[in-house]
Amino acid sequence: DAGVTQSPTHLIKTRGQQVTLRCSPKSGHDTVSWYQQALGQGPQFIFQYYEEEERQRGNFPDRFSGHQFPNYSSELNVNALLLGDSALYLCASSRRNWNPYEQYFGPGTRLTVT
Amino acid sequence: GQQVMQIPQYQHVQEGEDFTTYCNSSTTLSNIQWYKQRPGGHPVFLIQLVKSGEVKKQKRLTFQFGEAKKNSSLHITATQTTDVGTYFCAGYEGSQGNLIFGKGTKLSVKP
Repeated sequence: DAGVTQSPTHLIKTRGQQVTLRCSPKSGHDTVSWYQQALGQGPQFIFQYYEEEERQRGNFPDRFSGHQFPNYSSELNVNALLLGDSALYLCASSRRNWNPYEQYFGPGTRLTVT
Repeated sequence: GQQVMQIPQYQHVQEGEDFTTYCNSSTTLSNIQWYKQRPGGHPVFLIQLVKSGEVKKQKRLTFQFGEAKKNSSLHITATQTTDVGTYFCAGYEGSQGNLIFGKGTKLSVKP
């Protein structure tokens, strides 16, 4: 049983460019959340997708958008990249209304913006 | 909005010593979760506490949830080098989804 997978592992982009990150949830999970983790900080919630809709959103600008597909996989898109967007982007999957509501994190995508 | 604070930021211990990290929320939490992130790794779920005053143990780890459900602690007895990593507490803002993480406590263990 594969856990949460993310691609790519590492990515280097130039300021102003756009990037797409991908996530496949753990088998049996229907909810995907995205987090941004800057160096030395805790993960910060970006948004959550369930039933192909954005259900909750953290304090991130509209440059950050996402999508969830019928197979529950998800994409995170970031437009007009800024240097400050350099971080580890974590995808976490969970099963809605399941207790405990633990989140299974993927290995992350390390994004560097130059 | 809700804030979750953790202290200390760093803790260096000799192997065999005990370790405690504390977590405080600006608002009452419905539940609190603890995660461990090894160096270069991703957060891994450790436990969830739900009830006021709840205490749970996992081998050498003891987790507590405060009576007012605004604070929590993680205590490790007789640390080992395998305990190295950053320990995060996290609480939900509102319903399931917006998990607010503390900044974490980075534990290093000297053999």
